[in-house]
Amino acid sequence: AQSVTQPDIHITVSEGASLELRCNYSYGATPYLFWYVQSPGQGLQLLLKYFSGDTLVQGIKGFEAEFKRSQSSFNLRKPSVHWSDAAEYFCAVYSNYQLIWGAGTKLIIKP
Amino acid sequence: DGGITQSPKYLFRKEGQNVTLSCEQNLNHDAMYWYRQDPGQGLRLIYYSQIVNDFQKGDIAEGYSVSREKKESFPLTVTSAQKNPTAFYLCASQTSRDGSPLHFGNGTRLTVT
Repeated sequence: AQSVTQPDIHITVSEGASLELRCNYSYGATPYLFWYVQSPGQGLQLLLKYFSGDTLVQGIKGFEAEFKRSQSSFNLRKPSVHWSDAAEYFCAVYSNYQLIWGAGTKLIIKP
Repeated sequence: DGGITQSPKYLFRKEGQNVTLSCEQNLNHDAMYWYRQDPGQGLRLIYYSQIVNDFQKGDIAEGYSVSREKKESFPLTVTSAQKNPTAFYLCASQTSRDGSPLHFGNGTRLTVT
């Protein structure tokens, strides 16, 4: 069965430092991959998506993600985090007409 | 502006009562979804609908019911049969079930005591 793993439940990063959130998926074919962000008590907002082509995709708010087929990974990165980036981040893969979700990674920003 | 509206934002009910959560979209999207979110568990699919008057069960449909009488509306009823209804409920829509991104409402937090 298809699955998405976000190995880090929480990550703490200092403001201004770089960020990488990990996402691994299990899927046989070329996947459609997504990263969403959720602020507390809010809905989810799409950060970026990968369907095909260039394996490095740019998203909103200065985020990017790299698709690595050999590692079945789609890690999210940002060169310098801001306090407003504190939120929960979800990775998802589109499979059989449904989105399969990771459990999320909560990003905590240290001043 | 187009979007998805969920109401109310907070809802309180006594155990044993049915409660209906509203979801309305003006994006002209064909597909709509209901998810349940609990801490540390990501999103779990309750029901989804591809077209009007048609819907399918998701992974955790027991104790829930939906209707899709209009393209814009996809209300969710949490019945008294749902054993643990307290949760954050998210509604989403999609242009069609082709891998396009989901658009989410801001959620309804239901508390049942």
